[in-house]
Amino acid sequence: AQSVTQLDSQVPVFEEAPVELRCNYSSSVSVYLFWYVQYPNQGLQLLLKYLSGSTLVKGINGFEAEFNKSQTSFHLRKPSVHISDTAEYFCAAVQGGSEKLVFGKGTKLTVNP
Amino acid sequence: EPEVTQTPSHQVTQMGQEVILRCVPISNHLYFYWYRQILGQKVEFLVSFYNNEISEKSEIFDDQFSVERPDGSNFTLKIRSTKLEDSAMYFCASSTGGAPGNTIYFGEGSWLTVV
Repeated sequence: AQSVTQLDSQVPVFEEAPVELRCNYSSSVSVYLFWYVQYPNQGLQLLLKYLSGSTLVKGINGFEAEFNKSQTSFHLRKPSVHISDTAEYFCAAVQGGSEKLVFGKGTKLTVNP
Repeated sequence: EPEVTQTPSHQVTQMGQEVILRCVPISNHLYFYWYRQILGQKVEFLVSFYNNEISEKSEIFDDQFSVERPDGSNFTLKIRSTKLEDSAMYFCASSTGGAPGNTIYFGEGSWLTVV
């Protein structure tokens, strides 16, 4: 079955520390991959996307992600987080031959002072 | 920056009642979507809509659900007879073109609580 897996449901980290949020996808979804962020009481906002080309994708707010085909992963990273990065982060993929996004369960990132 | 707006932000309804969730997509967008997220679970696709018809729907989107674009600006999701398991956050979304190359923009969601 098609799936996107986010292994960590919660990630606490201190301000200015680096962070990596993990995402793996199954081979039954396409390799069109996305990270969305949801700040408290807001909608889903696109952070970055991978469609093709360079495997390192840079997004907004200093985030980047690396597409790794052999490991079927698309992990999100930021070298130094801020309090304002506290949010829920969703990895998603377009299901092959479809219009729909398949989402992971989300990772709650909490940045502590 | 243009955004997708949804109303109401929160609705409580009795089981068996009809509910209409409303959305105003971004004005030049042509593709419209509804997703939902049951508490603690994944965001799930419900339906996509293009050129005034459903282009794709999931297994969740059964006969109890319908969508409509009644005028040039609104996009609605109707649940005919709500069940307890319909309690969820419902997200409307829109994009200029189809997946995957076109960014899908999401609204803030409508919380539906069925009691």
